[in-house]
Amino acid sequence: GAGVSQSPSNKVTEKGKDVELRCDPISGHTALYWYRQSLGQGLEFLIYFQGNSAPDKSGLPSDRFSAERTGGSVSTLTIQRTQQEDSAVYLCASSLAGSPEQYFGPGTRLTVT
Amino acid sequence: AQSVTQLGSHVSVSEGALVLLRCNYSSSVPPYLFWYVQYPNQGLQLLLKYTSAATLVKGINGFEAEFKKSETSFHLTKPSAHMSDAAEYFCAVSALAGFQKLVFGTGTRLLVSP
Repeated sequence: GAGVSQSPSNKVTEKGKDVELRCDPISGHTALYWYRQSLGQGLEFLIYFQGNSAPDKSGLPSDRFSAERTGGSVSTLTIQRTQQEDSAVYLCASSLAGSPEQYFGPGTRLTVT
Repeated sequence: AQSVTQLGSHVSVSEGALVLLRCNYSSSVPPYLFWYVQYPNQGLQLLLKYTSAATLVKGINGFEAEFKKSETSFHLTKPSAHMSDAAEYFCAVSALAGFQKLVFGTGTRLLVSP
């Protein structure tokens, strides 16, 4: 079956602009995670959605970052007023409820110029 | 708090040689442990996982890892390296229950020479 998909695969934006990154989880997976992979910080957790529960936003680095998940499926990560330090690969993962196995998408490479 | 330490940012082996990638974890509760592989410009692929069943875990592509509680280790091994194993490998830990975010190590790049 289809895996986790993310779009766009690459995004170049100017400093100060807003960007939206999309994640389509595996069908039936109720848990969805966003991670960020950067040279300086490695792989770090950003936000977690589980079903209809309130998301865990404990990993978001600043209030410029937000995410939503519509209809328990597709998720959008929004970064407002992008900064150069936001340049990274943003990875999305999904899992079945209660399962420890997370399946990752190919990521979106964000470059802020 | 949970954490993972991967010793060696780069490991070089010859084709056919043993692969050993080291991972030590810190967790106040029994953890789940994982090894992921990342090929260039791709996402993370799960190699294997430890979920408190057998301590010796076999994964894909001939890799295996052994959970050693006394040493808080979960080292990844493969008896014979192949050129296609060249990639970056990440060890990760998560809690057994509840919110299961992954906490990753810094990664080890495996280089395989002919």
